[in-house]
Amino acid sequence: DTGVSQDPRHKITKRGQNVTFRCDPISEHNRLYWYRQTLGQGPEFLTYFQNEAQLEKSRLLSDRFSAERPKGSFSTLEIQHTEQGDSAMYLCASSWGQKRSSITSEQYFGPGTRLTVT
Amino acid sequence: GQQVMQIPQYQHVQEGEDFTTYCNSSTTLSNIQWYKQRPGGHPVFLIQLVKSGEVKKQKRLTFQFGEAKKNSSLHITATQTTDVGTYFCAGEANFGNEKLTFGTGTRLTIIP
Repeated sequence: DTGVSQDPRHKITKRGQNVTFRCDPISEHNRLYWYRQTLGQGPEFLTYFQNEAQLEKSRLLSDRFSAERPKGSFSTLEIQHTEQGDSAMYLCASSWGQKRSSITSEQYFGPGTRLTVT
Repeated sequence: GQQVMQIPQYQHVQEGEDFTTYCNSSTTLSNIQWYKQRPGGHPVFLIQLVKSGEVKKQKRLTFQFGEAKKNSSLHITATQTTDVGTYFCAGEANFGNEKLTFGTGTRLTIIP
């Protein structure tokens, strides 16, 4: 399967615990995005990488959220001290972009990680 | 911040009827993309529109980008049960920050 993969697919955690999600993009893609989606809403942008550089981070993202893409391949999203409001589907997407400030090309989404905070 | 709204939020149609969803951005867009998300699935790219007034067709689907590059529409002719899902528009702001802002989505259900 050469699509975007995410692990785990489901995560149930207790409030206050830390969680980490992984995303493996399509191998030729240099851009990687993280989104959060709640029921009945569209995906909400969280952050974006071009290769290993994190170029954009949503102002809505609290300091409890951190993302890395150390070698420009896979990425991890960590949420510290989870809260019930963090319960959502976390989607990863990848795309190819020639250079900074070029128009965003089509994004390929992974299946998502569904987080439930109890 | 940039906001992207879609109407209607829900649409129920008889199989064979047409369907249209409208997308409006609070800011001018450099381009707009459309995605389809099946129930329980993830968004899947449909098309990208870049030019002012652009119209693109994919079989029964027709996509339009407004002249002012602030609105867009998706029209499906003669809906089929396979068209079920939520349709999202996603706009990139004019200053090219490579970030997509997704609309609120229109959920389409088909009555056989």
